Amino acid sequence: GAVVSQHPSWVICKSGTSVKIECRSLDFQATTMFWYRQFPKQSLMLMATSNEGSKATYEQGVEKDKFLINHASLTLSTLTVTSAHPEDSSFYICSASHAPRFSSYNEQFFGPGTRLTVL
Amino acid sequence: AQSVTQLDSHVSVSEGTPVLLRCNYSSSYSPSLFWYVQHPNKGLQLLLKYTSAATLVKGINGFEAEFKKSETSFHLTKPSAHMSDAAEYFCVVTYGGATNKLIFGTGTLLAVQP
Repeated sequence: GAVVSQHPSWVICKSGTSVKIECRSLDFQATTMFWYRQFPKQSLMLMATSNEGSKATYEQGVEKDKFLINHASLTLSTLTVTSAHPEDSSFYICSASHAPRFSSYNEQFFGPGTRLTVL
Repeated sequence: AQSVTQLDSHVSVSEGTPVLLRCNYSSSYSPSLFWYVQHPNKGLQLLLKYTSAATLVKGINGFEAEFKKSETSFHLTKPSAHMSDAAEYFCVVTYGGATNKLIFGTGTLLAVQP
């Protein structure tokens, strides 16, 4: 249980185009989804947190107009990188969380990641 | 501010020898702590988690970690390394509660020599 998928697993695009990445919770309803960015040989950096039906909360320094997040349902969140540039090339990872009763924390389940390369 | 420090960026062991990956946390509250493993170009897999229950936590693939509040440590160990253990390991702390933000350490790359 608690499987999270991402699509596509990798994408190559030209500079100036937009790219959409999907994150799906396959066997549970995710009240919250998170988007991370990982640079080569570095740790994960939280970009934003999204709750179903609400606007995403972006971390400091992350451009909300650049990285559009939509969390329209309890099983799907999308990240759109608008007008992508080579510096946006990275490994993007999503995670999903649900809130079981009487739990003091909400475990996050991670997707396999999407590698974006902008030429 | 809460943070987590992984003391070694690279650790190299021989197959069959013990593994020790070090992690220290800084927290004003009782934290939840996790170890995740990431194989090349793969997503993160949870190895084990500490959430204020038993201080010695056993995880998958023979890994375990001990929460030591007096030392603010949560080191990851395994008695005998296997070649398939070669990967990047992340120590993670969370505030818990409504925010549920995970704070990632910088990672430790484990190499296992034959």
